Amino acid sequence: GAGVSQSPSNKVTEKGKDVELRCDPISGHTALYWYRQSLGQGLEFLIYFQGNSAPDKSGLPSDRFSAERTGGSVSTLTIQRTQQEDSAVYLCASSLRGSQETQYFGPGTRLLVL
Amino acid sequence: DQQVKQNSPSLSVQEGRISILNCDYTNSMFDYFLWYKKYPAEGPTFLISISSIKDKNEDGRFTVFLNKSAKHLSLHIVPSQPGDSAVYFCAASSNSWGKLQFGAGTQVVVTP
Repeated sequence: GAGVSQSPSNKVTEKGKDVELRCDPISGHTALYWYRQSLGQGLEFLIYFQGNSAPDKSGLPSDRFSAERTGGSVSTLTIQRTQQEDSAVYLCASSLRGSQETQYFGPGTRLLVL
Repeated sequence: DQQVKQNSPSLSVQEGRISILNCDYTNSMFDYFLWYKKYPAEGPTFLISISSIKDKNEDGRFTVFLNKSAKHLSLHIVPSQPGDSAVYFCAASSNSWGKLQFGAGTQVVVTP
């Protein structure tokens, strides 16, 4: 498809387990973003990749969260030792270049930590 | 801290009337503003944007107004349609960094 895709669409895990969330950006988009939306909250920035530059990790809430982007395309967000407060919808977005560009979002991964 | 604020969590409007959604920001570095629409269980969909060099941008039924001195922007939807019922997010960014700061969203319900 032409849009941003994310997998899995839903993930239920037990507290303390690790999870990996995947994002496939729009082909040709050099910028990729991860956000999350907790219940009843707005979208919270997590991390931003732009081309070959060092990622902006300023939004990651703890060192249990990490992300990588391989080959300038697919990205994986990893949450280690999940906690119940990690339960949220994790959204990925991509844009053609970076700042002042429209970001296009995927459908999100709904994570529930029991 | 919340740099982008949408103070109205919900808005109910009659079909055919105007919907006005408001957004305030505190960071004077913001120079690009966007509105997104979100249906349940879907990702946000881009609606309209405005650069700080403009004070108005129009696209069909959607118009965004920017008042830089007041650090305020608004989205007008005219005429409102039942399919417009969704959560609307205001977002802002700066030329110096790409990440978006989002407001908490406004739930719009368009009634027949």
